[in-house]
Amino acid sequence: SQTIHQWPATLVQPVGSPLSLECTVEGTSNPNLYWYRQAAGRGLQLLFYSVGIGQISSEVPQNLSASRPQDRQFILSSKKLLLSDSGFYLCAWSVPRDRTYNEQFFGPGTRLTVL
Amino acid sequence: TQLLEQSPQFLSIQEGENLTVYCNSSSVFSSLQWYRQEPGEGPVLLVTVVTGGEVKKLKRLTFQFGDARKDSSLHITAAQPGDTGLYLCAGEEGGSNYKLTFGKGTLLTVNP
Repeated sequence: SQTIHQWPATLVQPVGSPLSLECTVEGTSNPNLYWYRQAAGRGLQLLFYSVGIGQISSEVPQNLSASRPQDRQFILSSKKLLLSDSGFYLCAWSVPRDRTYNEQFFGPGTRLTVL
Repeated sequence: TQLLEQSPQFLSIQEGENLTVYCNSSSVFSSLQWYRQEPGEGPVLLVTVVTGGEVKKLKRLTFQFGDARKDSSLHITAAQPGDTGLYLCAGEEGGSNYKLTFGKGTLLTVNP
């Protein structure tokens, strides 16, 4: 069975500090990977998605970046955090499009607080 | 940008009551997913509907996809406190762009 991990679970960082959130998937190959941010427990905002190693698409211009150094690893980074970066960050995976419709499966999330 | 509107935004009911929440758009979706999210956790996929008019049942939950594939509803019969959570709908646009559009959710509280 497939599992998805995110760490850390919670993070408190000062404004201007760097950020690195990690997501890994087990039990599947060549998944599509996604980073979302959720504010105030409501709708999900898609930040980045990746269909393969080194392939990153950005949905929202901001001071965040994403990388996919390995097939099942997705990293969200920032060089300098802003107060507005606070939120609940969710990683998700899906099976590639040509085998099924786009059902996404989410990790447990990282709660980021920027002070 | 395709938009999904969910209503109501908040719903508080007593255990045993029935309820329906809605997910509406002016756009056509090739598939639509419903998720439930509990506080501090990631959303969990409940169901996917793909055919206009399709009805799927998951125990006390009934999901329906509109005939035109622009809207969906979730009906819960005899709600229980364990049904409490944020219900999110998400639509997949045609054209294979790998993305889902999420609604803002309905926050359901079932009181014992």
